Amino acid sequence: EVQLVESGGGLVQPGGSLRLSCEVSGLTFSTSWMNWVRQGPEKALEWVASIKPDGSERYYVDSVKGRFTISRDNAKNSLYLDMNSLRGEDTALYYCARGWLRAGFDQWGQGTLVTVSA
Amino acid sequence: DVVMTQSPLSLPVTLGQPASISCRSSQSLVYSDGNTYLNWFQQRPGQSPRRLIYMVSKRDSGVPDRFSGSGSGTDFTLRISRVEAEDVGIYYCMQGTHWPLLFGGGTKVEIK
Repeated sequence: EVQLVESGGGLVQPGGSLRLSCEVSGLTFSTSWMNWVRQGPEKALEWVASIKPDGSERYYVDSVKGRFTISRDNAKNSLYLDMNSLRGEDTALYYCARGWLRAGFDQWGQGTLVTVSA
Repeated sequence: DVVMTQSPLSLPVTLGQPASISCRSSQSLVYSDGNTYLNWFQQRPGQSPRRLIYMVSKRDSGVPDRFSGSGSGTDFTLRISRVEAEDVGIYYCMQGTHWPLLFGGGTKVEIK
């Protein structure tokens, strides 16, 4: 059974930092493109970042460039998102998702909630 | 940036009847490799999204054949041939041709 389990969300003040993690099982993580997608309260889905299987290429939506870093550890079947200088508009449910970015994402986690508020 | 426009915003349907959702892009979604990267996702209430269709018309494993995708260039459609109760939710198109990857605003399907 494929499982993507996110963790690390929580309440953080504006300007603060968080690290999200996603543990993956049931699929070949080391050959999979991995992604973060978020969904603000009552909002549509928004792609955040993607990373190539070997970690050599990373892509970000403009609104998080320079603040967020996507990374992975293939030995631990884990994906990460380091989030710095957090803003209110970063408040969202963050999903970890597998899939080659152009064809969309065929496996999703349950999400971890990030709330940025004073 | 490309703009993705879905319509309608809300779609009340009768069980057993067909439903159709439109997705339009402000630029052609034909990529340099000749493929068109337009994908469809379903998000049931309280659940994570699920991909239904990728590359315009390729149905994911396990997706009922009442779901179909069509279109080309800038105009795309998701059709449900006979709506069932489990189809209630929000449907999103997503383009993977241009940066940034972008989802449409969503169409809420509900039962009349």
